[in-house]
Amino acid sequence: DVKVTQSSRYLVKRTGEKVFLECVQDMDHENMFWYRQDPGLGLRLIYFSYDVKMKEKGDIPEGYSVSREKKERFSLILESASTNQTSMYLCASSLSRWGSPNTEAFFGQGTRLTVV
Amino acid sequence: GQQVMQIPQYQHVQEGEDFTTYCNSSTTLSNIQWYKQRPGGHPVFLIQLVKSGEVKKQKRLTFQFGEAKKNSSLHITATQTTDVGTYFCAGPYAGGTSYGKLTFGQGTILTVHP
Repeated sequence: DVKVTQSSRYLVKRTGEKVFLECVQDMDHENMFWYRQDPGLGLRLIYFSYDVKMKEKGDIPEGYSVSREKKERFSLILESASTNQTSMYLCASSLSRWGSPNTEAFFGQGTRLTVV
Repeated sequence: GQQVMQIPQYQHVQEGEDFTTYCNSSTTLSNIQWYKQRPGGHPVFLIQLVKSGEVKKQKRLTFQFGEAKKNSSLHITATQTTDVGTYFCAGPYAGGTSYGKLTFGQGTILTVHP
């Protein structure tokens, strides 16, 4: 079974803090994603990585950065947390298969971040 | 990025009634995926459609991909309380440099009253 593990289920941080959300997958997937989920807005892509050290911005990258130093690990960094970054953060991974633009995405359990 | 619109946002049904959610794109999609997220859970992949006009069934769930590959639907026959959750469609980003980038619709929250 594919497993995508996020480091924390719940997190409370103060405004201005630097926050790290960690995600690890154990299936050797090339693609990894960070999404943010808010009521009525669905899943919005923050960043996407298709290989080690490779990243692409999603729809809402402002205020976030990412790091992918190893294939299995994808970190989301909030440089200076703000209250409008209070949300559910979901990490996902998928296989990159030649000839198939998308394959099934596997999600972690999510991190509920509250910035106070 | 690719805009994938999903309607309705909410649907309340009585157990035994049917349910349908629709997904629309402004551009042609090479494929579309559907996910289900149970309350308190994370999205779980249901199915992928690739061919124009494709119809796939999973027990009481029927998935369709439009002829123009710009829309898709998920229909549940005779809903059960176990069908409760949020249903998302997802499609590939148009253009861009990377392969595998996925964009999601806003989701339809299904409530089933026993």
